[in-house]
Amino acid sequence: GESVGLHLPTLSVQEGDNSIINCAYSNSASDYFIWYKQESGKGPQFIIDIRSNMDKRQGQRVTVLLNKTVKHLSLQIAATQPGDSAVYFCAENRGLNNAGNMLTFGGGTRLMVKP
Amino acid sequence: DAGVIQSPRHEVTEMGQEVTLRCKPISGHNSLFWYRQTMMRGLELLIYFNNNVPIDDSGMPEDRFSAKMPNASFSTLKIQPSEPRDSAVYFCASSSTQGIGELFFGEGSRLTVL
Repeated sequence: GESVGLHLPTLSVQEGDNSIINCAYSNSASDYFIWYKQESGKGPQFIIDIRSNMDKRQGQRVTVLLNKTVKHLSLQIAATQPGDSAVYFCAENRGLNNAGNMLTFGGGTRLMVKP
Repeated sequence: DAGVIQSPRHEVTEMGQEVTLRCKPISGHNSLFWYRQTMMRGLELLIYFNNNVPIDDSGMPEDRFSAKMPNASFSTLKIQPSEPRDSAVYFCASSSTQGIGELFFGEGSRLTVL
């Protein structure tokens, strides 16, 4: 029979353009968020993080925006390069007692960069 | 510094066999996590240790799965007996902070159960 898998949203962009990847989270108690990049055959790699007392944080070519009102997180990549092609995951720390660094991951978005 | 080290990178086994996955966290990190990644369910947290003590194992699928952390530099995830539905990539991650912060992931162990 046909198998049903997790459908990964895909964003296709031209090299040099800016990319915006979106993520919705569900728990209003979440107080810390991370974006990870996962290339084929590798483990997730940290890109950028943001705490809930901020609404914007910038890194090198990347910016994370947090809108707590609508529980929305976005990752902006400037001047997207072929090496940015990967699956991107947002993750949240739900701020539970004794949860420590326990992160819950979203389903991921596949970014494809066309040369 | 070496990152999180997992072994084996790939394992193919037959249904019913015991599988042991190994992880060496980053030196000095006091938290260790086992995640499972499948196309069906994405990245799922299986179990989390802090200072070698299991804190939350609510993600462990069933009694066939067990995890240990005998010391600060080594952890195992065991599946006995294995089943085809256990086929997945298993990731180990470690972290240095008690509060919130980045998790550092290993390269994963790809398990195929025939």
